[in-house]
Amino acid sequence: ELKVEQNPLFLSMQEGKNYTIYCNYSTTSDRLYWYRQDPGKSLESLFVLLSNGAVKQEGRLMASLDTKARLSTLHITAAVHDLSATYFCAVVYGGSQGNLIFGKGTKLSVKP
Amino acid sequence: DVKVTQSSRYLVKRTGEKVFLECVQDMDHENMFWYRQDPGLGLRLIYFSYDVKMKEKGDIPEGYSVSREKKERFSLILESASTNQTSMYLCASSVTGAGNTIYFGEGSWLTVV
Repeated sequence: ELKVEQNPLFLSMQEGKNYTIYCNYSTTSDRLYWYRQDPGKSLESLFVLLSNGAVKQEGRLMASLDTKARLSTLHITAAVHDLSATYFCAVVYGGSQGNLIFGKGTKLSVKP
Repeated sequence: DVKVTQSSRYLVKRTGEKVFLECVQDMDHENMFWYRQDPGLGLRLIYFSYDVKMKEKGDIPEGYSVSREKKERFSLILESASTNQTSMYLCASSVTGAGNTIYFGEGSWLTVV
């Protein structure tokens, strides 16, 4: 059974600082997703990572994937208040197109 | 833009009622999914469908059924709602193929009293 663990679960940071969210998963998978969720809203897709060593960047967020270590990171550079949200990683399980196993999410709060 | 629309955002139903949650996508996606989201448990897959009239159980199908009579529409049915089915329900859709984004609807908040 695939397990996905994110840490930290809660993160409070000052604007302008850098931080990394970690996502570990327990069995082989060929796809990893990062999503953002604002309170009361749905999930917004941030990144899809397919291969070992994949790195994707959008604005102040950069995601990477190490399939050998079964680890993905979401790095936040020079955080701003607008990045406050909950971030989820999700891993495809069993080869199915959509059986995503989600981490419990990291609630990020960026303070001025 | 891909649009996944969940027709009911907020519902309050009584225990034992039959509940229908509807989801429509406008991008001709083959795959559609229903998840529920609970605090501390994250998102869990209830059912998914990869074609019209096809369905597969996810991790927590008990107490639920689904219907996909048309490609664009995927319905989640609670045959006899119970209080432990109070949750946020998220519909999603995608095109088949590695690397394709899975798009989520806005969510349906269901309270069973």
